[in-house]
Amino acid sequence: DAKTTQPTSMDCAEGRAANLPCNHSTISGNEYVYWYRQIHSQGPQYIIHGLKNNETNEMASLIITEDRKSSTLILPHATLRDTAVYYCIVRPTNAGKSTFGDGTTLTVKP
Amino acid sequence: GAVVSQHPSRVICKSGTSVKIECRSLDFQATTMFWYRQFPKQSLMLMATSNEGSKATYEQGVEKDKFLINHASLTLSTLTVTSAHPEDSSFYICSARAWTGDGNTIYFGEGSWLTVV
Repeated sequence: DAKTTQPTSMDCAEGRAANLPCNHSTISGNEYVYWYRQIHSQGPQYIIHGLKNNETNEMASLIITEDRKSSTLILPHATLRDTAVYYCIVRPTNAGKSTFGDGTTLTVKP
Repeated sequence: GAVVSQHPSRVICKSGTSVKIECRSLDFQATTMFWYRQFPKQSLMLMATSNEGSKATYEQGVEKDKFLINHASLTLSTLTVTSAHPEDSSFYICSARAWTGDGNTIYFGEGSWLTVV
């Protein structure tokens, strides 16, 4: 699996958009970008994934650069409950195991 | 999304005993499940890949005789920590692959806290 680089921590004001960056400069053509988050003492929660097009669902939006070497997860209106560690992972869609980096600890503040 | 359930969510056992953790895919069949371990303030570390009907594939450095994995059905994988010691105390998480329209997505269980005293 390609390695990813994420900032260690970020703060965001409640109600504002949270933009979490991820660098994956060695991503291969068949690898998707997946985002998960882990709230303290819980298992990781799937958020969104994409290959090259931008994606949006009820939780977040995923913006992938044209060269696919980086991406940004956007939480449009962050709430206190969005405080968690966010993991960016790249892997082929037909693969199962995921390699987790250290992720970004997002703290949403009132 | 698909649901993966683990049981128990918390378990305390005595040193030297064995403890079993179950991972179930509730609304889909999973030929492959994955077991992770997470120590406090650290990221998830993959332990092994559990394959239905065959032997598990262990990551380097993980003792297969200590962490027994059984994947007897398409909806259940079990991890047994044998002869547990305090250093085995950790958060154990499983995941399973669910096939979606554009491939597959991995869903994780809620995790199981193991404390060995």
